[in-house]
Amino acid sequence: DQQVKQNSPSLSVQEGRISILNCDYTNSMFDYFLWYKKYPAEGPTFLISISSIKDKNEDGRFTVFLNKSAKHLSLHIVPSQPGDSAVYFCAATITGGGNKLTFGTGTQLKVEL
Amino acid sequence: EAGVVQSPRYKIIEKKQPVAFWCNPISGHNTLYWYRQNLGQGPELLIRYENEEAVDDSQLPKDRFSAERLKGVDSTLKIQPAELGDSAVYLCASSSSGTMNTEAFFGQGTRLTVV
Repeated sequence: DQQVKQNSPSLSVQEGRISILNCDYTNSMFDYFLWYKKYPAEGPTFLISISSIKDKNEDGRFTVFLNKSAKHLSLHIVPSQPGDSAVYFCAATITGGGNKLTFGTGTQLKVEL
Repeated sequence: EAGVVQSPRYKIIEKKQPVAFWCNPISGHNTLYWYRQNLGQGPELLIRYENEEAVDDSQLPKDRFSAERLKGVDSTLKIQPAELGDSAVYLCASSSSGTMNTEAFFGQGTRLTVV
């Protein structure tokens, strides 16, 4: 039972354009969401997070949007840069649950010149 | 600040052999996690420690997997005997709190191949 879903295994965008990565979840108990970026042969690195009390969180070129009623979140990267090419994982957790992260399957982003 | 350190980076073993992975978390991080990432999947939690206590090991296959975190710092994950299906990347992570929402920091992982 995949509680966190990333339905797009890959995404290709041109440098300077916006990248939009999507994530859906099924467990309504999730109240904290994170995005991790992963380069080959490296561990995931934290990118940005959002609490369920917010619908938007912004950090430089990265913005995460949360739509609780739709159980959907998205990560926007603008402008996209070649160095953003990586696998992006959406993760969710329940406050008080020990920060146990439930991950999606990831989306491979390729930013082309 | 040093990150989460794991060793070895790669390990190839024959099935039925034992294998062990080592993790040194970020200094001061009381919470330590072991995740397993299968090919094409996201990481899945195996076990979580608060200091030296394993507080969530519900996903750990206890017939062949074991873990320890002596003195509440370094941790070791062991598989004995290994099976072909254990081939995966084993990731260690740590965080400053297991109660407040905070990001976990991951090591580079150990890629295990069982042949």
